[in-house]
Amino acid sequence: AQSVTQPDIHITVSEGASLELRCNYSYGATPYLFWYVQSPGQGLQLLLKYFSGDTLVQGIKGFEAEFKRSQSSFNLRKPSVHWSDAAEYFCAVGATGANNLFFGTGTRLTVIP
Amino acid sequence: DTEVTQTPKHLVMGMTNKKSLKCEQHMGHRAMYWYKQKAKKPPELMFVYSYEKLSINESVPSRFSPECPNSSLLNLHLHALQPEDSALYLCASSGAGPRHEQYFGPGTRLTVT
Repeated sequence: AQSVTQPDIHITVSEGASLELRCNYSYGATPYLFWYVQSPGQGLQLLLKYFSGDTLVQGIKGFEAEFKRSQSSFNLRKPSVHWSDAAEYFCAVGATGANNLFFGTGTRLTVIP
Repeated sequence: DTEVTQTPKHLVMGMTNKKSLKCEQHMGHRAMYWYKQKAKKPPELMFVYSYEKLSINESVPSRFSPECPNSSLLNLHLHALQPEDSALYLCASSGAGPRHEQYFGPGTRLTVT
């Protein structure tokens, strides 16, 4: 069965600092992996996705993520955080042969001036 | 156009009311989804429609009744809800199959009194 773990419930970073949000997945086959961001009271916006190929994927808003099969990880990174990046971030895995996504519990990002 | 629209934005209903949530997309997607999201939690899948047919029902109580009138529209009919059903209800759409990202609407904030 698929599962996603986001070990960090809450992260606080200073504006301009680098960011890494962790995501570990459990899935027997090649996973389809996603990162979504959600501002309070809003829907989810797709930041980036990994299906196959290059393990370093670029997304919107300056985010990137690296797929590491050996570590079952898909961590999200940004070199310099902006105050507007404060939000909830969800990692998700899609299952082969199914339409549904399995979400991690989310990481709340706070950005301080 | 990568937009999923949802109406209404907010809904307050009593436990004896009947109401409906609406979702619309014009991206030609053939899979549509309903999720329920409680505060500080990830979205929980409720229903999946694939090619206008219900393909996944995650053991949702019968007081929630989904309907997919055509490939662009998705409704969620609500009847005799409980206060614990208060949540953000998110609609999403995607291409059919797991190798497609889901696009989310802004959600309907439902309060059951």
